[in-house]
Amino acid sequence: DAGVTQSPTHLIKTRGQQVTLRCSPKSGHDTVSWYQQALGQGPQFIFQYYEEEERQRGNFPDRFSGHQFPNYSSELNVNALLLGDSALYLCASSLVGYNSPLHFGNGTRLTVT
Amino acid sequence: AQKITQTQPGMFVQEKEAVTLDCTYDTSDQSYGLFWYKQPSSGEMIFLIYQGSYDEQNATEGRYSLNFQKARKSANLVISASQLGDSAMYFCAMRKVPNQFYFGTGTSLTVIP
Repeated sequence: DAGVTQSPTHLIKTRGQQVTLRCSPKSGHDTVSWYQQALGQGPQFIFQYYEEEERQRGNFPDRFSGHQFPNYSSELNVNALLLGDSALYLCASSLVGYNSPLHFGNGTRLTVT
Repeated sequence: AQKITQTQPGMFVQEKEAVTLDCTYDTSDQSYGLFWYKQPSSGEMIFLIYQGSYDEQNATEGRYSLNFQKARKSANLVISASQLGDSAMYFCAMRKVPNQFYFGTGTSLTVIP
């Protein structure tokens, strides 16, 4: 049973560039969420996709955008990168329902120089 | 406003002893879910235990139990018989309507041999 997979594992970008991160959800899951985790902090909710639409969004600027494909996989795009965007980006998948936990991937470590 | 509060930045416990990690939450919702995650230094987020707001009994999963006190809005994690492999960051999280998770800032647990 494949869990959540993310790619790439590490990425180094320059300020002003654009980046795309990819995620495949756990088998059977239809909802994908993205989180940003700065060093020493808890994960912060970016947005959530279900049925190929953005359903909820956290307090992140429009530079952060995403997409969900028919096979439930998802992409996170960040434009005009800032130094402060350096973080661990976690993808999580889940089912709808209060007792359904988030299942996380191993994350993508983004460094902006 | 902070929805999840973890007041213990760091905790130490002797191997084979029990330890309690504190978590308080803030919500006016009647329906919500509470979760605990473990994050080793490798970065993956591992789901440990779940407690629903309507569950009358405290959740247990192996060596993990959740001490749920609804009136106090607390959901403390108890780890019994600590092992060296329990050394990690621990995050408390709350799931609110419709499907958004809020995480605390985490507690770093170190198990001493």
